[in-house]
Amino acid sequence: DVKVTQSSRYLVKRTGEKVFLECVQDMDHENMFWYRQDPGLGLRLIYFSYDVKMKEKGDIPEGYSVSREKKERFSLILESASTNQTSMYLCASSFFRPSNQPQHFGDGTRLSIL
Amino acid sequence: GIQVEQSPPDLILQEGANSTLRCNFSDSVNNLQWFHQNPWGQLINLFYIPSGTKQNGRLSATTVATERYSLLYISSSQTTDSGVYFCAVERNTGFQKLVFGTGTRLLVSP
Repeated sequence: DVKVTQSSRYLVKRTGEKVFLECVQDMDHENMFWYRQDPGLGLRLIYFSYDVKMKEKGDIPEGYSVSREKKERFSLILESASTNQTSMYLCASSFFRPSNQPQHFGDGTRLSIL
Repeated sequence: GIQVEQSPPDLILQEGANSTLRCNFSDSVNNLQWFHQNPWGQLINLFYIPSGTKQNGRLSATTVATERYSLLYISSSQTTDSGVYFCAVERNTGFQKLVFGTGTRLLVSP
């Protein structure tokens, strides 16, 4: 079974802090994704990466950055946390080829910014 | 951009009942996935179904890509089926970028 592990289930940080969310997958997937989930809005794509050191903006990248130094690890960075970034964050991964591959998700991190 | 609409937004069932959840999308897509998010927030893959019909136990799904909709059938529902069901479509832009619907919240009561 695919295992996507997010470092924290719950996290509480203060406004202005630099916050790191970590995600590790064990299936040698090329693609990795970060989403945020808010009530009534479903999941929205923040950033994704299709290879080491490669990154692409998703639909809502403002206020976030990412890092992919190793194939199995994809980090989401909140440069200066704000209260409107309080949300559930989900990481996912998938194979790049063949293209018809499902995404597999981690358990999520509930982040509160006070 | 592509729009994904799910209906109904909320559904309450008695244990043992059957239900159909619908997902409409506004443009042609590469692929479509159905997910179940349980009360603990875990998102579980149910089906990867760009077209046709698939079955897995009490669940089945049908996607009619030419008419831009997909249906998820739940038969003989159980309390463990409670949670939120999401449909997500993959845009024709490569890189498997998914667009999610806003979900159907299902509550199955004993």
